[in-house]
Parts: sequence; C-alpha cells; structure tokens
Amino acid sequence: DVKVTQSSRYLVKRTGEKVFLECVQDMDHENMFWYRQDPGLGLRLIYFSYDVKMKEKGDIPEGYSVSREKKERFSLILESASTNQTSMYLCASSLVETGGYYGYTFGSGTRLTVV
Amino acid sequence: GESVGLHLPTLSVQEGDNSIINCAYSNSASDYFIWYKQESGKGPQFIIDIRSNMDKRQGQRVTVLLNKTVKHLSLQIAATQPGDSAVYFCAETYTDKLIFGTGTRLQVFP
Repeated sequence: DVKVTQSSRYLVKRTGEKVFLECVQDMDHENMFWYRQDPGLGLRLIYFSYDVKMKEKGDIPEGYSVSREKKERFSLILESASTNQTSMYLCASSLVETGGYYGYTFGSGTRLTVV
Repeated sequence: GESVGLHLPTLSVQEGDNSIINCAYSNSASDYFIWYKQESGKGPQFIIDIRSNMDKRQGQRVTVLLNKTVKHLSLQIAATQPGDSAVYFCAETYTDKLIFGTGTRLQVFP
C-alpha cells in the first residue's frame, strides 16, 4: 500500500523555536506538497516541489521554508514558530501523469501547537 | 478530538438514505475535479474524480456530477452508512495545483 508518512502526529513547541516537520513518501512521486488546514479555511498550500532541490511558493509561504534534498523526503521548516502557526499540517505527494492530472496521496497530518 | 471542520456546513442524514454534498468551484479552466473524504484524525483520502469534459461519473455507491454552466460539482452517496461520516472536500486542478473547497461535514444518524 502506498504511503505518505509524517513523522509526528502531535507536536507542541514554544514561540520562537525552529520547527521541522518531516514527510516521506514511498511511491517515487515527483511532486510533494505542504498544506495547512484550519477550521473554516480548508486546505491552504504553503510550499510545493516538483523535483529534488526544487521548491515553489504556494499561497501562504510567509514564515515557512522547505527542503527537498532527496526525492522521497520533503521537510517543512518554521524558522521562528509563532502562535498563529498553530494548525494541522498535511503533506501530500503526486505523480505527474499524462494529461496533467495530479492525484494526491495525503499523510495523516501533524497537529502543531505553538505556545 | 480534532478541531478540523469545527465551523463547517453540516449535512445530517439518516442511515440508508442518499446524501448529496454540493460544491461551487471557482475556475472555468480547471481540468479535473476531485472529491476527498477526511475522517477524524486522518488525512484526506481520494474518493472519485471527474474530467472537465464529462458531466457524470459513477463509482461504488458514489456518483459525481459536474455542471460547468454554473460551476457546480456534487457528490452523491447512495445508502449512506455510519462509516461515511466524515468531512468531504471538493478540489479542482488549476495551474498544476489542487485548489480545495472548505469542506462539508456529513453526519449519519441511525
């Protein structure tokens, strides 16, 4: 069964800490994505990557950065955590298919609380 | 428990009835439309998709209808079961990305 694995289900961090959220996929997918999910706002795209060492800003990149050193791993970094970054973070991966359809597979999410 | 979906519109149906979840999408140039199901504590899971050149697609107990004239998408679940209780999201593909709706919570009662 194909998998996207997020390293932590729950995290509690202090304001100002540097936070790393890790995501690994075993499907050899080219594309990987980080979303945050908040009540009433749905899923919002933070960053995405179409290839190793490549990254693109999504809709809400401020306060975040990413790293993709290997194809299977995509890390989200909160440089200096703030309370407004308390959220559910979801990682996804997809395979580029002919015709441009991007079927996403999601991880189970990391619920981050910044205190 | 999870706070995802705390302020979502909610559809309550009786077990065995059919459910219809609606979604308005934003971009007439979108290629694909997808429905996801998200159960508490889990990430979204793919249910069914439809290309923009189709108006109906059926799966197992689910049907997706696409009305491009009014930019409307619906998900029909036949004979709704307790295991169908979840938050349902529609998504559209546009410029290589998925754009998600805010979701609808489906509650199934006996």
